[in-house]
Amino acid sequence: DQQVKQNSPSLSVQEGRISILNCDYTNSMFDYFLWYKKYPAEGPTFLISISSIKDKNEDGRFTVFLNKSAKHLSLHIVPSQPGDSAVYFCAASGGASYDKVIFGPGTSLSVIP
Amino acid sequence: DARVTQTPRHKVTEMGQEVTMRCQPILGHNTVFWYRQTMMQGLELLAYFRNRAPLDDSGMPKDRFSAEMPDATLATLKIQPSEPRDSAVYFCASGLVRTGVPEAFFGQGTRLTVV
Repeated sequence: DQQVKQNSPSLSVQEGRISILNCDYTNSMFDYFLWYKKYPAEGPTFLISISSIKDKNEDGRFTVFLNKSAKHLSLHIVPSQPGDSAVYFCAASGGASYDKVIFGPGTSLSVIP
Repeated sequence: DARVTQTPRHKVTEMGQEVTMRCQPILGHNTVFWYRQTMMQGLELLAYFRNRAPLDDSGMPKDRFSAEMPDATLATLKIQPSEPRDSAVYFCASGLVRTGVPEAFFGQGTRLTVV
């Protein structure tokens, strides 16, 4: 039973527009959420995170929003660039296993020039 | 430039053979993870160590998979006997909770093909 879900396997966006990637979780013990980016033939790399005490965290073109009551978070990329084309994984941790990171299935983003 | 090192990068083996994948975590990190990347499950957690102690290997098929940390500089994942359905990319990651962020740093992965 997946604790972290990303229901859109793929997303296609025009360069310069906003990309919105969504993530839902089921475990109410999660209190830290992370987004990772993965290019082909490479390992995932950390992109941005958010603590459950916040509802928004911004880093340059990337913003993560957290809605705890809905157990939902989203990653916004504005403006999208062709170099953003990658697989994006949502991840979460919390509870007694505060450092155990559980990943979702990923969303493949294509930014079209 | 600190990084997680995984060997081998690629492995092709015949069904029934033993496979050993190795990982050198980043010096100073106290957690180590093994993940398997599949199309359906994404990054599936197989095993998780903290300070070399195994904390969770519930994601691992126990009859054929084993994960160990003989010392702080080496983590291993073994499959014996291997099966075609084990074909996947296996990632090792290490981490350290810093300023509350449980960030995991990944190696480049081992692409395993079992024929």
